[in-house]
Amino acid sequence: QSVLTQPPSVSGAPGQRVTISCTGSSSNIGADYDVHWYQHLPGTAPKLLIYANFNRPSGVPDRFSGSKSGTSASLAITGLQAEDETFYYCQSYDTSLSGSRVFGSGTKVTVL
Amino acid sequence: QLQLQESGPGLVKPSETLSLTCIVSGGSISSRGSFWGWIRQPPGKGLEWIGDMFYNERASYNPALKSGVSISVDTSKNQVFLKVYSVTAADTAVYYCARRTSLGYFQDWGQGTLITVSS
Repeated sequence: QSVLTQPPSVSGAPGQRVTISCTGSSSNIGADYDVHWYQHLPGTAPKLLIYANFNRPSGVPDRFSGSKSGTSASLAITGLQAEDETFYYCQSYDTSLSGSRVFGSGTKVTVL
Repeated sequence: QLQLQESGPGLVKPSETLSLTCIVSGGSISSRGSFWGWIRQPPGKGLEWIGDMFYNERASYNPALKSGVSISVDTSKNQVFLKVYSVTAADTAVYYCARRTSLGYFQDWGQGTLITVSS
């Protein structure tokens, strides 16, 4: 089990807004460690979507946005498109057990 | 454009040592602020960080895997290596080579290589 919990799936119609939560604890997100988000189509290289909580790398559409509060973070996708249907992972750092980079459990976004 | 390309045996027998190589092109693995490491994804499961390292420092490992893995680099060949010792079926996964920045995120990834542990 991951120390960062995400909903297994979220869905929305084209054009709608969906959000993916990433719930941690006082040893990771709550300890003020940054949260990063990746888009991953199985069989391909994961793609960095958001870094340091809310920053978008060059080339990532502004439909994707990130936020963080307390022990949780969120990824929002507005104007949902068919091409957004894939898996999304959050990532942070955890100080328990000698410290470790940790990924969320992953969320499958389905475009209805 | 930085490119990472993993290579490995594809199939490994239980109890053997898995050795993977990542060839880095388009940039130097000794560049400042770059950490080189490995992440894996077992079938049907999520991403799992294995470990990473700065080119001239000791590697950091996932505490859950620490005793059974080793990461190293060869700056002359611009390559990153992973060894997984005494593999079991639980080590069956797609293994990704990745570059982590000093801010903690993985900016560049390889396409991944599927490793199956089976007799």
